[in-house]
Amino acid sequence: TQLLEQSPQFLSIQEGENLTVYCNSSSVFSSLQWYRQEPGEGPVLLVTVVTGGEVKKLKRLTFQFGDARKDSSLHITAAQPGDTGLYLCAGAGQAGTALIFGKGTTLSVSS
Amino acid sequence: DTEVTQTPKHLVMGMTNKKSLKCEQHMGHRAMYWYKQKAKKPPELMFVYSYEKLSINESVPSRFSPECPNSSLLNLHLHALQPEDSALYLCASSRGTGVMNTEAFFGQGTRLTVV
Repeated sequence: TQLLEQSPQFLSIQEGENLTVYCNSSSVFSSLQWYRQEPGEGPVLLVTVVTGGEVKKLKRLTFQFGDARKDSSLHITAAQPGDTGLYLCAGAGQAGTALIFGKGTTLSVSS
Repeated sequence: DTEVTQTPKHLVMGMTNKKSLKCEQHMGHRAMYWYKQKAKKPPELMFVYSYEKLSINESVPSRFSPECPNSSLLNLHLHALQPEDSALYLCASSRGTGVMNTEAFFGQGTRLTVV
């Protein structure tokens, strides 16, 4: 069974701080995705990483895919209150089944 | 158009009611999904439709009945639900179900309350 472990589960920081969220598995994934979800809304796709060692940047967000394609990280620089939300990593299940989600990281950024 | 539209946004229903949730996408995606999400938890997969055929049913109770009338529409029929079925129900679509086609676009969800 493919599982994705996310850490930390909860994170409460002040505006301007940096943070990193981790997504780990014992299984190899062909790709991993990161989503952000705000309360009462559906998840919104932030990025997909496909190649081992790949680094992608989206403004203040930096995403990295591990060399062995078993883990990924999301780093936010100078967090802002608008970054508040539930961050989910997800990977395609075996045989092209639907997405498997990690348990999520709830981020709260206060001003 | 990169939207997945779900209606209604909120629904309150009694345990003896029958209701339906609706989902629509016009991105030409051939895979559509229903997920259930409880507060502060990740989405849990319920059903997958691929090319309008049900391909995955994650052992969902029969009081939930999915339907895919065409490639753009997905319904979830609800009957005799229990209070523990109260949750955010999310519809999503993707280009396909192959491992490289699972980038999912989600609707805003239907907040369902069973009383």
